[in-house]
Amino acid sequence: DIVMTQSPDSLAVSLGARATIKCKSSQSVLDTSTNQNYLAWYRQRPGQPPQLLIHWASVRESGVPDRITGSGSGTDFTLTISSLQAEDVALYFCLQYYGLPRTFGQGTKVEIK
Amino acid sequence: EVLLVDSGGGLVKPGGSLRLSCAASGFNFSTAYMTWVRQAPGKGLEWVGRIKTKVDGATTDLAAPVKGRFTISRDDSKSTVYLQMNSLQTEDAAVYYCSTGHKYWGQGTRVTVSA
Repeated sequence: DIVMTQSPDSLAVSLGARATIKCKSSQSVLDTSTNQNYLAWYRQRPGQPPQLLIHWASVRESGVPDRITGSGSGTDFTLTISSLQAEDVALYFCLQYYGLPRTFGQGTKVEIK
Repeated sequence: EVLLVDSGGGLVKPGGSLRLSCAASGFNFSTAYMTWVRQAPGKGLEWVGRIKTKVDGATTDLAAPVKGRFTISRDDSKSTVYLQMNSLQTEDAAVYYCSTGHKYWGQGTRVTVSA
């Protein structure tokens, strides 16, 4: 199984400041034939299902503000919230959909400092 | 508008069975792979399994912890996917979500396993 490890487990950021979450996979999730990384990012607010933010490692889902960006390739990925807003308080997960079983990172809790 | 409605959760004793349903609308269900994901209380997300389309054989892939106990099936005429859970254990207690295309998720249905 591909193990997904996120860091940190939690972070507290001031409103308007940058939040950075890392996700590392135990093996590459890059399909070299298509140059696509099979990596997604989700946000989950309390009592809600996960919401897809980013797929293919860096493609923003429709309606997601451009202050949220995904980057990285191979085994190392980053989700950046450039200017934290109150509505960004949530749990964030990465997901690899390169291999079976699909596997998620353990989650990162983002709070306001 | 894509809608997934999860149902069938509840309280069951260890060793018991439960069948979850996910009713879909707003997209061509018969062409969609359907996935089940669960989330234990206060924990992260765990992929349970998926079912392919009939064209792809309607075959299933299941996570190791549930293999041999859970089965996934689909009824394209009802646009519904099912998760049959047998021999339930306390560690199966979770909110179960159905999902498709990594984008669309149901609201979840809670399964509690307790004597």
